[in-house]
Amino acid sequence: GAVVSQHPSRVICKSGTSVKIECRSLDFQATTMFWYRQFPKQSLMLMATSNEGSKATYEQGVEKDKFLINHASLTLSTLTVTSAHPEDSSFYICSARTGTGVNQPQHFGDGTRLSIL
Amino acid sequence: GENVEQHPSTLSVQEGDSAVIKCTYSDSASNYFPWYKQELGKRPQLIIDIRSNVGEKKDQRIAVTLNKTAKHFSLHITETQPEDSAVYFCAATVGWGANNLFFGTGTRLTVIP
Repeated sequence: GAVVSQHPSRVICKSGTSVKIECRSLDFQATTMFWYRQFPKQSLMLMATSNEGSKATYEQGVEKDKFLINHASLTLSTLTVTSAHPEDSSFYICSARTGTGVNQPQHFGDGTRLSIL
Repeated sequence: GENVEQHPSTLSVQEGDSAVIKCTYSDSASNYFPWYKQELGKRPQLIIDIRSNVGEKKDQRIAVTLNKTAKHFSLHITETQPEDSAVYFCAATVGWGANNLFFGTGTRLTVIP
């Protein structure tokens, strides 16, 4: 159980393109999903918390107009990197929390490796 | 905000030996401490977690200890195997009801056959 699917796994595109990444909870409902960014050989940095039916909460330093998050259903959250540039190249990983209570585990998707040329 | 520090950054052990990874956190309100294992290019996988109401938890070869007073927690892997080689991340939540996990910087564990 607790399977999180992330798509696509790899994206290579030109500078200026907008890229959408999907995160789905396959066998459970996730009222809360999280988006992380990971640079090579570094830790996961929380970008934003996505709550179903409401606006995402962004961490300090993350541009909300640059990284658009939509959580329209209990099983799907999307991250759109708008007008992507080479510095946006990174590994983006989503996670979903399995319950609504405190201290519930987060389960991660497989990640999306984004490369902007 | 919460600051999670993790040591060592790299760790090499002989197969069959034990490995210990340590983390400290800054916010005394943190109450949930998971450990994730990440293989190269793959998703982090939850391997064990501990809540602030207990001091130790064990699952087969993996154990985690928590010292709330000192604000540190450790991952212990016994009888290591080559397939234990990966990057391990500790994490902590900030306060009751909080959603956010703040991760340590990771430890690259290499188990030498």
